[in-house]
Amino acid sequence: GESVGLHLPTLSVQEGDNSIINCAYSNSASDYFIWYKQESGKGPQFIIDIRSNMDKRQGQRVTVLLNKTVKHLSLQIAATQPGDSAVYFCAERPGGYNKLIFGAGTRLAVHP
Amino acid sequence: NAGVTQTPKFQVLKTGQSMTLQCAQDMNHEYMSWYRQDPGMGLRLIHYSVGAGITDQGEVPNGYNVSRSTTEDFPLRLLSAAPSQTSVYFCASSYADRVYGYTFGSGTRLTVV
Repeated sequence: GESVGLHLPTLSVQEGDNSIINCAYSNSASDYFIWYKQESGKGPQFIIDIRSNMDKRQGQRVTVLLNKTVKHLSLQIAATQPGDSAVYFCAERPGGYNKLIFGAGTRLAVHP
Repeated sequence: NAGVTQTPKFQVLKTGQSMTLQCAQDMNHEYMSWYRQDPGMGLRLIHYSVGAGITDQGEVPNGYNVSRSTTEDFPLRLLSAAPSQTSVYFCASSYADRVYGYTFGSGTRLTVV
């Protein structure tokens, strides 16, 4: 909804540029990390996930990088388009638990 | 395929009233959960269920009840609404072996006055 994300950090990029959204996670025992995209007024939508035994995974126009040494996750979006404008959340799954812990989110604003 | 359906989309309650937020999925997912989303914060887990008849608490369960009598439905009950429960509520589901790949509903925006 429009009131969600009022105080979120914002990344502004030009259309066609590459975007990098960063996330710090908290639990060294987490076994999966996931990126979600949330457009205004909609529920979060799964983008891509990565297991903890990997350091990179690629999808269509997106790449997720995992650095377990510093507990850092990033989402790279190639050739950013206006339709990529949204709030992006990272999430981690504490190993063995049926739940996800979400970060606060980053708003991506794509300008023509 | 409807996916995850939440009703209502909007609701205004008075303090002390009770209500039930509905969630239904048609994907035969074993796992279902409820999250709340507040401005500037991520999603926080309220309750979840790994299958019919099984529920468990998440991070912020106080003031909410759930039950799971069928695989398809997972209603969330607010027992006595408080202004602190003003939020956007999301229901999510997934296969049990893919808990990390949730499908979310479109949300219920609840205001408690």
